[in-house]
Amino acid sequence: QKEVEQNSGPLSVPEGAIASLNCTYSDRGSQSFFWYRQYSGKSPELIMSIYSNGDKEDGRFTAQLNKASQYVSLLIRDSQPSDSATYLCAVNRQGGKLIFGQGTELSVKP
Amino acid sequence: DAGVTQSPTHLIKTRGQQVTLRCSPKSGHDTVSWYQQALGQGPQFIFQYYEEEERQRGNFPDRFSGHQFPNYSSELNVNALLLGDSALYLCASSLVGGTADYGYTFGSGTRLTVV
Repeated sequence: QKEVEQNSGPLSVPEGAIASLNCTYSDRGSQSFFWYRQYSGKSPELIMSIYSNGDKEDGRFTAQLNKASQYVSLLIRDSQPSDSATYLCAVNRQGGKLIFGQGTELSVKP
Repeated sequence: DAGVTQSPTHLIKTRGQQVTLRCSPKSGHDTVSWYQQALGQGPQFIFQYYEEEERQRGNFPDRFSGHQFPNYSSELNVNALLLGDSALYLCASSLVGGTADYGYTFGSGTRLTVV
């Protein structure tokens, strides 16, 4: 079992729709969770962090965390073609390193 | 405020050669982590440097080594290059304290191609 798992996609949604990206993790001791966006050929860019159970909203992005289910998700409302990218879920392991999932490719169609 | 800077941006090497990649962390950051990202995969942790010492290491062979300098900049060295070492190498820096509690700031990466 991988430490952090994501659906590889690609996930295709129409412009204006809600995109839902999911991630599960195996280490129950994990405390910090992150979503990165990576455009093709570029480096990852931090877009959301979440530390407590529940929802955290930032503009069109909402991160959701359920530690009991070891599940974290990212919702993108009013999806735009510029949101087309690979989204990486990352979990902070004890000792200070981030473990990444394999990424989910999102395609927003005009 | 300069972010994380990496050099070079692209590199082509021949199998068996050695390569050195360089990274300067974001101002105020003292911890540098290196990741390898193969095409279509998520970044894989290589190792992390804090206070000029290797704190943690991922599942990479000893051909991968590193160093951190007193100014917090870092180098990644790879010896005896294999075709499978072709990847995007990412340097990430994090806030004072050596933790990743607030996530990493990534550099733009070095694209290494081994032929």
